[in-house]
Amino acid sequence: SQTIHQWPATLVQPVGSPLSLECTVEGTSNPNLYWYRQAAGRGLQLLFYSVGIGQISSEVPQNLSASRPQDRQFILSSKKLLLSDSGFYLCAWSWQRHTEAFFGQGTRLTVV
Amino acid sequence: EDQVTQSPEALRLQEGESSSLNCSYTVSGLRGLFWYRQDPGKGPEFLFTLYSAGEEKEKERLKATLTKKESFLHITAPKPEDSATYLCAVQSGNTPLVFGKGTRLSVIA
Repeated sequence: SQTIHQWPATLVQPVGSPLSLECTVEGTSNPNLYWYRQAAGRGLQLLFYSVGIGQISSEVPQNLSASRPQDRQFILSSKKLLLSDSGFYLCAWSWQRHTEAFFGQGTRLTVV
Repeated sequence: EDQVTQSPEALRLQEGESSSLNCSYTVSGLRGLFWYRQDPGKGPEFLFTLYSAGEEKEKERLKATLTKKESFLHITAPKPEDSATYLCAVQSGNTPLVFGKGTRLSVIA
């Protein structure tokens, strides 16, 4: 069976500090990978998706970047965090692009 | 632009009191409609995919239906453990899923 791991579960970072969130998928090969952000009272917002190693599509301009160094690894990064980067970050995978996605448990990021 | 509207925003039910959640959508060429359940502080859990009008899917006390303009998630005789936020998403063409804001369901014993 397939599993998705996302860590850390919670993170408190000062403004201006760097960020690295990691996500890995087990039990499948060449998954489509996604990073979402969920803000209180708002729907899930797609930040990045990747259909293969080294391929990243960005959905919204922002202070964040994503990388896919290995087939089943997806990383969300920032060089300098802003207060507005606070939120609940979710990694997800799917078999095919933009079909039903399976989510990790999320990272609650608070920028102080 | 694809749009998804879920109603009500919040719903409070007594245990055993059946009801329905609504997901209205505006898309050009629906390829799939997805329902998820999300518990507080957790990632969404996939429930169903519906592809065409008239399609129905069931899982325990949940039943999802689809028309050309909306989907319903029917909850029959809910239990307190059904309390969660239910999310709806649509996909059209080759574009990413578009999520609604969800319905927060509380089932009181």
